[in-house]
Amino acid sequence: DGGITQSPKYLFRKEGQNVTLSCEQNLNHDAMYWYRQDPGQGLRLIYYSQIVNDFQKGDIAEGYSVSREKKESFPLTVTSAQKNPTAFYLCASRIGGLAGEAFFGQGTRLTVV
Amino acid sequence: QKEVEQNSGPLSVPEGAIASLNCTYSDRGSQSFFWYRQYSGKSPELIMSIYSNGDKEDGRFTAQLNKASQYVSLLIRDSQPSDSATYLCACGGYQKVTFGIGTKLQVIP
Repeated sequence: DGGITQSPKYLFRKEGQNVTLSCEQNLNHDAMYWYRQDPGQGLRLIYYSQIVNDFQKGDIAEGYSVSREKKESFPLTVTSAQKNPTAFYLCASRIGGLAGEAFFGQGTRLTVV
Repeated sequence: QKEVEQNSGPLSVPEGAIASLNCTYSDRGSQSFFWYRQYSGKSPELIMSIYSNGDKEDGRFTAQLNKASQYVSLLIRDSQPSDSATYLCACGGYQKVTFGIGTKLQVIP
């Protein structure tokens, strides 16, 4: 089955730690995205990538980092510089260009303990 | 001004009624428009996409697009309690897909 897999589903981070969220897709999509969702709020774009080895900052990139070494993979690292990381993180992929729909993974819920 | 504007609701409709969800966008360069449904604690799922002016129907759902007015809407006919969710409007350009805050729909049995 084609799709997007995020792991883990739940993640707990201690103050000062870096954590990495995994996102893998087998849809052969060129574009991949990371969004953050807080309670009662919409999706805010963190980073996006159109092709391998290239990515751009979204609206709230501070405190996050990404890599795109393979077409299938777009991991997100939440660094200690992100002061309020508790949120629901969603990875999406898209075929690219003007007309493609974005498809989402099941999400990772990150909590700072 | 937010790029994609939606009323957060909640919008309450009785079972069997038509639910009407609305969205406006600011980027005239947007070429593709989407409606996603998100249940509490779950990820968004695509329910409709529309690319040209006019109406597009799929089962109980009808999406409407008016590029001149920068307006997108979603009609849900014969609303069911299972339709209770948050509906996200999204606009796609060449690089990004931008989402609205979502409208919470409650279908009352």
